[in-house]
Amino acid sequence: AQTVTQSQPEMSVQEAETVTLSCTYDTSESDYYLFWYKQPPSRQMILVIRQEAYKQQNATENRFSVNFQKAAKSFSLKISDSQLGDAAMYFCAYRSPFTGANSKLTFGKGITLSVRP
Amino acid sequence: DAGVTQSPTHLIKTRGQHVTLRCSPISGHKSVSWYQQVLGQGPQFIFQYYEKEERGRGNFPDRFSARQFPNYSSELNVNALLLGDSALYLCASSLRQGPYNEQFFGPGTRLTVL
Repeated sequence: AQTVTQSQPEMSVQEAETVTLSCTYDTSESDYYLFWYKQPPSRQMILVIRQEAYKQQNATENRFSVNFQKAAKSFSLKISDSQLGDAAMYFCAYRSPFTGANSKLTFGKGITLSVRP
Repeated sequence: DAGVTQSPTHLIKTRGQHVTLRCSPISGHKSVSWYQQVLGQGPQFIFQYYEKEERGRGNFPDRFSARQFPNYSSELNVNALLLGDSALYLCASSLRQGPYNEQFFGPGTRLTVL
């Protein structure tokens, strides 16, 4: 079974600065998908960024980018120019390349990010 | 366009009772998944439905059941509620099943079992 580990329960960043959120995972599969989701206090889970394991290039979405290290099974999220609206819980998630129950999202425990004005 | 909607927003039940949670997917989406998120934890997969058939089930007891209707909306039922069932229940919809289809989450139903 796949597992996702987010070992930092909380992080804080100054507005306009850069922060990196860590995530490691364990799998025996060679192809898979990795995600970072944001869950603000309003509770609605929002997809921030996704990475396909077969792609060597790290995904980027505006101020959000990832550092995907497949051999190390590491998938960190970098948030540049942090904004107050970035304050939320962030979840790292894994998804197998199969259908049915195997295509479920497996989430880490999450990290609470606070942004200081 | 409306996103995924869930009802009710909050619910308080007592142990042993039954509860039904409802989810309406984004228009055109045929797959619905249910997740349980206990406070301070990441969501855990409960069920996936696609084209009105159960396509996947997580490690939850038989007290949990679900179904998907012809309009692709879905219900999650939990019988004989336990204190440990207190959680945020999230519904996610996608166009089709399969990992390449992005899952869009609803706001969740907060269930409290007393």
